[in-house]
Amino acid sequence: AQTVTQSQPEMSVQEAETVTLSCTYDTSESDYYLFWYKQPPSRQMILVIRQEAYKQQNATENRFSVNFQKAAKSFSLKISDSQLGDAAMYFCAYRARLGGFGNEKLTFGTGTRLTIIP
Amino acid sequence: DAGITQSPRHKVTETGTPVTLRCHQTENHRYMYWYRQDPGHGLRLIHYSYGVKDTDKGEVSDGYSVSRSKTEDFLLTLESATSSQTSVYFCAISESSGQGLYNEQFFGPGTRLTVL
Repeated sequence: AQTVTQSQPEMSVQEAETVTLSCTYDTSESDYYLFWYKQPPSRQMILVIRQEAYKQQNATENRFSVNFQKAAKSFSLKISDSQLGDAAMYFCAYRARLGGFGNEKLTFGTGTRLTIIP
Repeated sequence: DAGITQSPRHKVTETGTPVTLRCHQTENHRYMYWYRQDPGHGLRLIHYSYGVKDTDKGEVSDGYSVSRSKTEDFLLTLESATSSQTSVYFCAISESSGQGLYNEQFFGPGTRLTVL
């Protein structure tokens, strides 16, 4: 079974600075997706960024980028120029690449609560 | 936003009572999921459905049952609620990926359930 570990329950960063959230995972699969989700106080789950394991290039979405180290099974999220609106719980998640009959389900880490200091 | 609604949004009930949570989608997506979110555990899969009348268990299915009689509705039932089932429940939907193509999983707004 796949597992996802987030070892930082809480992080804080000064506004406009850069912060990195850590995630490690364990799987026997060679092809999969990794995700970072943001959950603000509204509780809505928002997809921030997706990485496909067969792609060596790290994914980026505006101020959000990942450092994907497949051999180390590490998947960290870097937030640049932190803004007050980035304050939220962040979840790392895993999904098998091939779909169908249960492979679509997501396995989540326990989350990191990010606080932005004005 | 994906058309997913959950009802009720908040519920307080007593131990031993049955509870049914409803997830409704307007996207005609094949897959539907129920997760629960608890502090220190993230989101954990309870049950999922890959078509009408086709359901399977997730990692925390004990004490829960599901039904899907229509594409658009996925019901989660707690036959006899316990305090350990106090949680926030999320429904999610996705289209079938097939051949490794990616389809995003969309989440509903969540239901906060308190069992006293």
